[in-house]
Formats: sequence, C-alpha cells, structure tokens
Amino acid sequence: KNQVEQSPQSLIILEGKNCTLQCNYTVSPFSNLRWYKQDTGRGPVSLTIMTFSENTKSNGRYTATLDADTKQSSLHITASQLSDSASYICVVSGAGGSYIPTFGRGTSLIVHP
Amino acid sequence: GAGVSQSPSNKVTEKGKDVELRCDPISGHTALYWYRQRLGQGLEFLIYFQGNSAPDKSGLPSDRFSAERTGESVSTLTIQRTQQEDSAVYLCASSLSRTRNTEAFFGQGTRLTVV
Repeated sequence: KNQVEQSPQSLIILEGKNCTLQCNYTVSPFSNLRWYKQDTGRGPVSLTIMTFSENTKSNGRYTATLDADTKQSSLHITASQLSDSASYICVVSGAGGSYIPTFGRGTSLIVHP
Repeated sequence: GAGVSQSPSNKVTEKGKDVELRCDPISGHTALYWYRQRLGQGLEFLIYFQGNSAPDKSGLPSDRFSAERTGESVSTLTIQRTQQEDSAVYLCASSLSRTRNTEAFFGQGTRLTVV
C-alpha cells in the first residue's frame, strides 16, 4: 500500500529560526514528490516539485531535498517568518496507472514572534 | 476562470438533510479529485475523476456519498442524510491528466457544518 509519513506532526519555532520537515514514502514506482503549503482555511498551494533525478530544489527560503534510494524528502525553511505558519503537506505520485497522488497528513508549523 | 472554484464556500445544514457541493475545475483539466479535511486532520481522499468517469471511488466513506462529473468539467459531490461526522472542509482539485509531473490545483474548499 502506498503511504506517505510526515514528521514532526507539529512544530513551534521562533521567528527567524530555521526548521526542517521530514517526509518518508513507500510509493512505488515513483514519479514525483511535491511539497504543498496550506494556510488555515485555504486550499493547498504547491511549493516545489521533485522528480527522480533531482536531489535539491529551492523556492525562495524553502529548500526541498529528495533521496529516491531511501525514499525520503525534507523541506528546509530558512529564516522563518510569521507568514510561514501553516500546514506543510508532502504529496507523492506514482509512475503507473492514473498518477493518483498520495498525501501525507502534514506538519503543522507555528512561528512565534 | 483562472483557478478551481468551489461553491458554496460555507454551508450549514441540519442533520438528515442532503447537500450538494460544486466544483468548477480549471478549463482543460481532465483529472478532478475530491478530498475531505476534518478539523486538525490531514487530507482524506474521496474520489477521482478522469473525464466524466470515476476509476477510483475507494475513498467514499459510505453509500450516502456520491459524486458525478459532466462535460469533463463541473463536478458535484452529494451527501445524503448528513450526519454530524460529515462536518469538514471539502476540497476539490484538478490537474492535467496522464502527464508525469502533474500539479494538482486546489479550490478554497467548502466548509460544511452539520448541526
């Protein structure tokens, strides 16, 4: 069964600090992995997408890494801002069939001033 | 429109009533997904449409839930005889299908409250 596990479930950090969120998956065969940011009461918005051959991808203060061998990804947030408070969702799509993505349950990040 | 549109944005209904939730996907997107998100929980897959057919309905929690899609466009999620546990945000997403790096674009969701 395809699964996506995220950790930690929740994270509280001070403004300006860095943090790293983890995603482990069992989806196979693998096509791509996305990180989404979901603000409270809003729909998820894509931050990054990574394919099998990509190890690192950055989007501003967000840097995602992917290790396709160990089936792990991380999202690193640098110099956090209050607006980073949100749920971060890891989504993995398989290469076969209908590409239905498998969602992680998300990490809830709270940035305090 | 430019994005995925869902309506209504909020719905309060009495227990036992039927509700219909609507999703207008991005034009040209053949794949459409419905998800449910309970308060403080992750996204729960409900159903996936490819065109007007639904090859995967495995996430529908009971026979009170049904969905249809017409014209490879608008989709309606219907919940019959609503229960309090149906209270959640219902999110719709659409994507170009059969492409390797398909991004799913989400609507703002419909917040359903069953009282």
